[in-house]
Parts: sequence; C-alpha cells; structure tokens
Amino acid sequence: KQEVTQIPAALSVPEGENLVLNCSFTDSAIYNLQWFRQDPGKGLTSLLLIQSSQREQTSGRLNASLDKSSGRSTLYIAASQPGDSATYLCAVNAAGNKLTFGGGTRVLVKP
Amino acid sequence: DAGVIQSPRHEVTEMGQEVTLRCKPISGHDYLFWYRQTMMRGLELLIYFNNNVPIDDSGMPEDRFSAKMPNASFSTLKIQPSEPRDSAVYFCASSFGTGYDGYTFGSGTRLTVV
Repeated sequence: KQEVTQIPAALSVPEGENLVLNCSFTDSAIYNLQWFRQDPGKGLTSLLLIQSSQREQTSGRLNASLDKSSGRSTLYIAASQPGDSATYLCAVNAAGNKLTFGGGTRVLVKP
Repeated sequence: DAGVIQSPRHEVTEMGQEVTLRCKPISGHDYLFWYRQTMMRGLELLIYFNNNVPIDDSGMPEDRFSAKMPNASFSTLKIQPSEPRDSAVYFCASSFGTGYDGYTFGSGTRLTVV
C-alpha cells in the first residue's frame, strides 16, 4: 500500500526566504506526482505535475524535483511572499489511477 | 471549461437526515473521484468511477454511504442516515485516462451534521 509522508508538518519563515517542502513515498512504482496548494476553507489548486520519467518541473518561483528511486519529491518556492501562506499537499498517482495524499505542510510566511 | 463543479458548497443537516452531494466533472474526463478531508485523517479516497462505472469503493466507510454516476456529466454521493462523525469536507475530482495530465478538484462541500 502506497504511503505518502510530508515533512515538516508546519513551517514558518520570514518573507524573502526560500521554502523547501519534502514529500516521501513508499512505493516507487508511480505514474506521476502532483503538488497542490490549499488555502483555508478552499479547494485544491494544482501547482506542478511531474511525470515519473521527469526529474523536475518549474513554474515561476516554484520548482519541484522527483527522485523516484529514493521515493522523494521536493517543492522549492523561491523568495517567499506572505501570499504563499497556505497548506501544500503532495499526491502520488500510482497503479490503478488512485491518488494518495500526504498529510500536507502548513506554511506561514511572515511579513 | 468551468472546472469541476460541486454543490452545495455548505450543508448543515441534523443527525439521521439524508444528505446528497453533487458533482459535475470536466467535460471529456473519464475518471471521477470522491475524497473526504478531515483534520484527523487528511484526504481519503472514498470511491472512483471510470466511464460511469464504479471501480473501487473500498474507501467508502459504511453502508450508509453510496455513490452513483448515472452519466458522464453527473455524480452523487449520498449519506443516509447522516451522523455527526460524517462532518468533513467532501471533494470531487476528475481526470482523463490514467491521470497523465493530473487531477482537477472541485471546491468541495463542507458538511456539518449536528
């Protein structure tokens, strides 16, 4: 059974600092991995999608890496802003087209 | 496309009442998923459909929960009778094929059972 873990569970940084969010998964036989953002009381917004054959994906200040063999993905957010405050969720698409989510990392960027 | 559309956004009901949550997936998507999010358990997959057929309902917590997908553009999740422990945010998501282009989630339905 696929298990996805996100560490740390919460993170607080001053504005301008780079953010590093970690995601690990137990079964490396994945199809792809997706990072989502969730604001309080809101739905999930897709940030980045990495296919199993890719090493990284970039969008603006966001960069996500994938090391399938070690079961890890990292989301980097450069030059954090207060508007980046949210919960970030990692989700793994494994066999059977089922997304398994990590517990999320709650981020607070202080002005 | 307007994305995945869920209704209602909020639902407050009394214990024992029937609750029906609705979802309209993205046109052309052939997979539809129902998830539940709670503080204690995070996001859990309840059931998913492929081409309107339920494929895996192993996450449905009890017989009080049922889901249907009568056509490609509509799905319901029903709880009967509802209990306070069913209070959660219920999300619907859809994807095309094996999810190569990722999943799109709706805004969710916040259910409160009192």
